[in-house]
Amino acid sequence: DIQMTQSPSSMSASLGDRVTITCRASQDIGNYLSWFQQKPGKSPRRMIYGATNLAAGVPSRFSGSRSGSDYSLTISSLESEDMAIYYCLQSIQYPFTFGSGTKLEIK
Amino acid sequence: QVQLKESGPGLVQPSQTLSLTCTVSGFSLTSYNVHWVRQPPGKGLEWMGRMRYNGDTSYNSALKSRLSISRDTSKNQVFLKMNSLQTDDTGTYYCTREGIYGGYSALFDYWGQGVMVTVSS
Repeated sequence: DIQMTQSPSSMSASLGDRVTITCRASQDIGNYLSWFQQKPGKSPRRMIYGATNLAAGVPSRFSGSRSGSDYSLTISSLESEDMAIYYCLQSIQYPFTFGSGTKLEIK
Repeated sequence: QVQLKESGPGLVQPSQTLSLTCTVSGFSLTSYNVHWVRQPPGKGLEWMGRMRYNGDTSYNSALKSRLSISRDTSKNQVFLKMNSLQTDDTGTYYCTREGIYGGYSALFDYWGQGVMVTVSS
């Protein structure tokens, strides 16, 4: 199975900060990487697909990038509504595997 | 509009079988794959398995011996059955869809609200 190593597991940032979350894949997954946001008691929401593509309705302050086997989700200017847990997902090979999640808190 | 909705018993006894239904609307099961994902309380997401648009299935190897996914296209429903339940199967179970066209652009764009399942005697 492909392992997705996500970091950090938690972080705290101030409103307006630039925030970056990273996932590293244990094998080549190309651009088959998505990012999801999950708020308490809610279903996951897709934010980024294909490593760099913004999903419909997602604010433009969110972006995705790739450098080799490292994938990043960046929030350019943190807003209070961004407080959530973020997960990456690889979908190139079954079983699909999620990262362990990053809990983002507002200072 | 596109909707997925999970349903099933909230409480299952240990060693028993879990049966869940994902009822979809706004799209056809013959044009989309439907996946099941679960989440233990306070923990991360785990991909369980998939019903393909053509009826084929794929399962997480960690669950394969206990898991079965089927469907009824006439009722727009996908079913999950998992036997030999234990307490660590407690969690929220979600269904989500994947379009067969558009590559990864059509992956997991809509999710159900989830159904909480507690395994306890």
